[in-house]
Amino acid sequence: EAQVTQNPRYLITVTGKKLTVTCSQNMNHEYMSWYRQDPGLGLRQIYYSMNVEVTDKGDVPEGYKVSRKEKRNFPLILESPSPNQTSLYFCASSPLGSPNTEAFFGQGTRLTVV
Amino acid sequence: AQKVTQAQTEISVVEKEDVTLDCVYETRDTTYYLFWYKQPPSGELVFLIRRNSFDEQNEISGRYSWNFQKSTSSFNFTITASQVVDSAVYFCALSDVNQFYFGTGTSLTVIP
Repeated sequence: EAQVTQNPRYLITVTGKKLTVTCSQNMNHEYMSWYRQDPGLGLRQIYYSMNVEVTDKGDVPEGYKVSRKEKRNFPLILESPSPNQTSLYFCASSPLGSPNTEAFFGQGTRLTVV
Repeated sequence: AQKVTQAQTEISVVEKEDVTLDCVYETRDTTYYLFWYKQPPSGELVFLIRRNSFDEQNEISGRYSWNFQKSTSSFNFTITASQVVDSAVYFCALSDVNQFYFGTGTSLTVIP
């Protein structure tokens, strides 16, 4: 089944404790991206990657890191999480080098930083 | 800069009523795509429709229909004969070569 898989689905952590949210897609998609969803703000892009070893900042990259060493994986790293990073996170992938066709979204990761 | 505006934050309708969700966008690009996604209470994002900027044909899919008007930069979504299962948050989005730009969403509640 074609899908984007995020792990974990739910995470509660403490301020400053490094964490990684994994994202994997099995569709051989070139484009992958991360979004965060906050009440009243919709979804905002954090980082995106148009291909392996190519990443770029989205609208809200501060406090986050990403890497794209393999086509299928695009982990989101929070080196020192803070409470303002409490949010619902979505990973997405698209077939071509851009999201114009369609974005396949993961199930979401609900992160709480206390 | 790209921008998507969903002015309706929350809408409540009684079951079987029709409801229209508004979406207005801003872009200077001539080529772009517009999308609608549904987010049910379970939280996942469900793709509903994609329309490219050169295709202004309206589309109907069952009880759902979409009205794309470039002249007013709008891409409105109508649910006919609403049902309780339609209760969700609906997002309109615009994409360019780099990313999606989402509106802030409209929360629809269908009252039985």
